[in-house]
Amino acid sequence: EPEVTQTPSHQVTQMGQEVILRCVPISNHLYFYWYRQILGQKVEFLVSFYNNEISEKSEIFDDQFSVERPDGSNFTLKIRSTKLEDSAMYFCASSRSYTGAANTGELFFGEGSRLTVL
Amino acid sequence: KNEVEQSPQNLTAQEGEFITINCSYSVGISALHWLQQHPGGGIVSLFMLSSGKKKHGRLIATINIQEKHSSLHITASHPRDSAVYICAVRAGGATNKLIFGTGTLLAVQP
Repeated sequence: EPEVTQTPSHQVTQMGQEVILRCVPISNHLYFYWYRQILGQKVEFLVSFYNNEISEKSEIFDDQFSVERPDGSNFTLKIRSTKLEDSAMYFCASSRSYTGAANTGELFFGEGSRLTVL
Repeated sequence: KNEVEQSPQNLTAQEGEFITINCSYSVGISALHWLQQHPGGGIVSLFMLSSGKKKHGRLIATINIQEKHSSLHITASHPRDSAVYICAVRAGGATNKLIFGTGTLLAVQP
C-alpha cells in the first residue's frame, strides 16, 4: 500500500539552528500538508500546498517557516531559526483531492518527525 | 471554546465491549474525518464522511449534520484497538485545512 514517508524520525537541534524536515508524499496525490503536535496537545494545521504553491497557512506558519517541493517528489518544511517552542512532532500528509472530496479527500499521514530544540 | 470537542477524553473498556466516542463541532463543515493515532505517534485515517453512516469492519462512523455531531463506534473491542481516536473537521468554504479535536484515549483491557 502506498504510504507517506518522513525523515528524520527524530532530530535534536540547538536553538537558533536551521532544520529541514523531509517528506515523500504518495505519488499520485496533489495536495500536501504539514501539521504539528506539541506534546500533550492537539494536532494543529501549519500549511497546505497545491500546484507548487502555498494554498493556505496558519498563524503559526510565520516567516521562519517555509515549504518547498524541489524535485516533484520530496516536500520539505524548513524552520530557519528554531526556538524552544518549535519542539513538537511534525506530520506530513497528502491527499489525492481537497479534504472535502467524497472519495479522494482522505488524508494519508506520515509517521511524523519529532523535533527537539534544546 | 474549542471548535471541535470530543467526549470522553479517556475511556477504559473490557475486551468485547461496544465503544462509542462522540464528537461535536461548532462550525459549518463540508467533511468530518475520524483518525487513529498509535502510541508511537503515527496517524491513520479511519473515515471521511459528510453525511449518514460508514462501516469498515468493526468500526462504524455516523454523522448528523443538523445537530453538528458525529459518533465513532467500535464493536467487539480488542486490546489492539487501544489508541487515541481523533475527530477532525474541514470547515465549509475555500479552506482545505482540518481542525482537530483533542482526541479520546481508549484503553481496551483483556
